[in-house]
Amino acid sequence: GAVVSQHPSWVICKSGTSVKIECRSLDFQATTMFWYRQFPKQSLMLMATSNEGSKATYEQGVEKDKFLINHASLTLSTLTVTSAHPEDSSFYICSASRRQMMNQPQHFGDGTRLSIL
Amino acid sequence: KQEVTQIPAALSVPEGENLVLNCSFTDSAIYNLQWFRQDPGKGLTSLLLIQSSQREQTSGRLNASLDKSSGRSTLYIAASQPGDSATYLCAVIGNEKLTFGTGTRLTIIP
Repeated sequence: GAVVSQHPSWVICKSGTSVKIECRSLDFQATTMFWYRQFPKQSLMLMATSNEGSKATYEQGVEKDKFLINHASLTLSTLTVTSAHPEDSSFYICSASRRQMMNQPQHFGDGTRLSIL
Repeated sequence: KQEVTQIPAALSVPEGENLVLNCSFTDSAIYNLQWFRQDPGKGLTSLLLIQSSQREQTSGRLNASLDKSSGRSTLYIAASQPGDSATYLCAVIGNEKLTFGTGTRLTIIP
């Protein structure tokens, strides 16, 4: 079946560091990938939609300059948390589907736990 | 704006019992609905996908139903096992986005 790989799974770094998270679709091409954020004991909140070859679409309230998204190929999207601060500590998860999401299940990565000291 | 609610927020049942998890959504203009499970500190595992034209889907001990007109879906788990303990999330797909429910944290008591 479809597999989405996310790396790294866990990051601990100092405040002010920029952190890059990778999301790869391993056995299919994904023109669209999604990035979510999840705080403890809460549900997933969509941050942005990553479109291959074009700019990402950010949800209201998400700072595009803070969370840089690059989708340079059909199998890779990256999320960079720039100048991270403790309030950016969270669980970040990406997802992708084979084709248009209306008819296909979304497949999720295993998530990245980001802890900013 | 689509809002998805799951009741109850937490549920504990003895092993072997059948159980039902509920999901409701405010905007019935959806393309499909997907149920996931999430283990602590992990990503999401897709369980079932129901297209908007369908009324139910089954996979093993799991059965999911969808009543789009009333904005409701249920996930039925038969003969529950300790390994079923996890958080269960429903998500509706509309306008190219997933909107997640608040989740139900399920604990199966051995």
